[in-house]
Amino acid sequence: DIQMTQSPSSLSASVGDRVTITCRASQGIRNDLGWYQQKPGKAPKRLIYAASSLQSGVPSRFSGSGSGTEFTLTISSLQPEDFATYYCLQYNSFPRTFGGGTKVEIK
Amino acid sequence: EVQVVESGGDLVQPGGSLRLSCAASGIMFSNFNMNWERQAPGKGLEWVSYISVDSNTIYYADSVKGRFTISRDNAKNSLYLQMNSLRAEDTAVYYCAINGIWGQGTMVTVSS
Repeated sequence: DIQMTQSPSSLSASVGDRVTITCRASQGIRNDLGWYQQKPGKAPKRLIYAASSLQSGVPSRFSGSGSGTEFTLTISSLQPEDFATYYCLQYNSFPRTFGGGTKVEIK
Repeated sequence: EVQVVESGGDLVQPGGSLRLSCAASGIMFSNFNMNWERQAPGKGLEWVSYISVDSNTIYYADSVKGRFTISRDNAKNSLYLQMNSLRAEDTAVYYCAINGIWGQGTMVTVSS
């Protein structure tokens, strides 16, 4: 199974900050990776697919990069509505595996 | 607008069974491979099962293999998860998603 190591597990940031979250795969997954945002009590929302493609309707302050084993989600200027938990998901092979999540909190 | 609606969650005793459904609208359901995922209370996301567009390819997480069965009916734009021999550790919100759009989930609680 492919393990997805996500870091950090939590972070505190201020509105306007640039935020970076990383996922490392235990083996190469090409660009078969998505990023998801989840707010308390709500379903996950896909932000990025194929490592760097922005889901329709998602603000352009979200971006993804990486290929192979190392991937990054960047929020260029954190907004109040961005405080949430973020997960990566590899879909290169089964079982699909999620990262452990990154909780983004208000500083 | 794409809509995804899960249903069928309930409180069930250990060893019991449930059948979850997922209905998709506003999208050509038959063109998309489908997955079930779940989230235990206070925990992260876990993939459960996959089915291809033609139902010919199916995968399960080891944790549910032999107990859960995924299926789909493209004529009804629907996905199903038959869950047997339920355990306390199956307690979770169960989600389906199509083309990145997730439903609101349905809660399964396994408890005596």
